[in-house]
Amino acid sequence: GENVEQHPSTLSVQEGDSAVIKCTYSDSASNYFPWYKQELGKRPQLIIDIRSNVGEKKDQRIAVTLNKTAKHFSLHITETQPEDSAVYFCAATPRAGNQFYFGTGTSLTVIP
Amino acid sequence: NAGVTQTPKFQVLKTGQSMTLQCAQDMNHEYMSWYRQDPGMGLRLIHYSVGAGITDQGEVPNGYNVSRSTTEDFPLRLLSAAPSQTSVYFCASSYSMTVGYTFGSGTRLTVV
Repeated sequence: GENVEQHPSTLSVQEGDSAVIKCTYSDSASNYFPWYKQELGKRPQLIIDIRSNVGEKKDQRIAVTLNKTAKHFSLHITETQPEDSAVYFCAATPRAGNQFYFGTGTSLTVIP
Repeated sequence: NAGVTQTPKFQVLKTGQSMTLQCAQDMNHEYMSWYRQDPGMGLRLIHYSVGAGITDQGEVPNGYNVSRSTTEDFPLRLLSAAPSQTSVYFCASSYSMTVGYTFGSGTRLTVV
């Protein structure tokens, strides 16, 4: 099955700086890559996703990039704010797959 | 539209007791999954279903049973609770593997 690796496991940035979280995947047939944000004590929530026919997608301060050749995708958060502090999970699903494969999570702390 | 509803929110069990964690969704989603999340760890897949009557094991299925008699409901049964099953349990659903999961609010289970 698919194997998703996520780095770094923890990340601290100053408010206003950018944060980048990277994930790699093993199955070249994977075609859908969602990102989830989980605030302390809350459920994971989908914040952005990208499909394999797209190289980049933006939504306000967050963006995701996909490099199919290298089999990696990244989450970029610009102008970070304290409310961005959370655990972020990447995931991948193979074409015709029936489950999501999650990374191990990145704990992001934005220092005011 | 309530989304994904999990009950109970909190539960304390004694070792050896059995119980069922309930999960229901009202979005007519075919795909449903159960995850456990331990402190500092990611989401580990217990069981999943791709439709009524169809279930399969995930990464950590031992000690848990599931059934999917209807599209809406996907209960998780703990057969004989053990302290190692102390965790937060999330149910999630989706209508497609190219659309992100919607997660329930979680059940915090403590086994003493």
